[in-house]
Amino acid sequence: DADVTQTPRNRITKTGKRIMLECSQTKGHDRMYWYRQDPGLGLRLIYYSFDVKDINKGEISDGYSVSRQAQAKFSLSLESAIPNQTALYFCATSKPGTAEAFFGQGTRLTVV
Amino acid sequence: QKEVEQDPGPLSVPEGAIVSLNCTYSNSAFQYFMWYRQYSRKGPELLMYTYSSGNKEDGRSTAQVDKSSKYISLFIRDSQPSDSATYLCAGVTGGGNKLTFGTGTQLKVEL
Repeated sequence: DADVTQTPRNRITKTGKRIMLECSQTKGHDRMYWYRQDPGLGLRLIYYSFDVKDINKGEISDGYSVSRQAQAKFSLSLESAIPNQTALYFCATSKPGTAEAFFGQGTRLTVV
Repeated sequence: QKEVEQDPGPLSVPEGAIVSLNCTYSNSAFQYFMWYRQYSRKGPELLMYTYSSGNKEDGRSTAQVDKSSKYISLFIRDSQPSDSATYLCAGVTGGGNKLTFGTGTQLKVEL
């Protein structure tokens, strides 16, 4: 089983719909992240959480929200999806004091 | 200007060649420098990282950081077709775990 699991793996949704992407981890790490990846733009940080009570905006948080339900679970929501949110989304984890981040397999989201 | 710049490629090399992948960065606060490999339709996986300046070797790969010129390199010796992937460099400040990525370089190792 993967250490960082994202669901769903693929999703097509319509403009204006609310959608949630989920991430769970078995690595026991406190820190969790959401990134999006776009061709030519690389990976960009949306939100990050250093523990259950700590949520921080990344460089591109507009249009997104997150919830840290437990140490192992971190979900990303698009309240009203728009086509330019079509991208590959990755969840990642790390532990304090290290620079190593471990990524999930990604969720390919298409907004039509 | 992006904090981490990386040539997107694609870079095509014959099997057995030495591959040189490079990044430049602008944030002087970066203390850790990471290299990730990403296969198509997969998540990035960490290859190696270095702290501050210097070299680090792991198997066929060597990572180099030159902080004076803000230049990061990854060398892969005896390249194999299985090395074909996108390689992402990233910088991390000492105060936290936020990675700032380059756009990635697509590498193709041909038989």
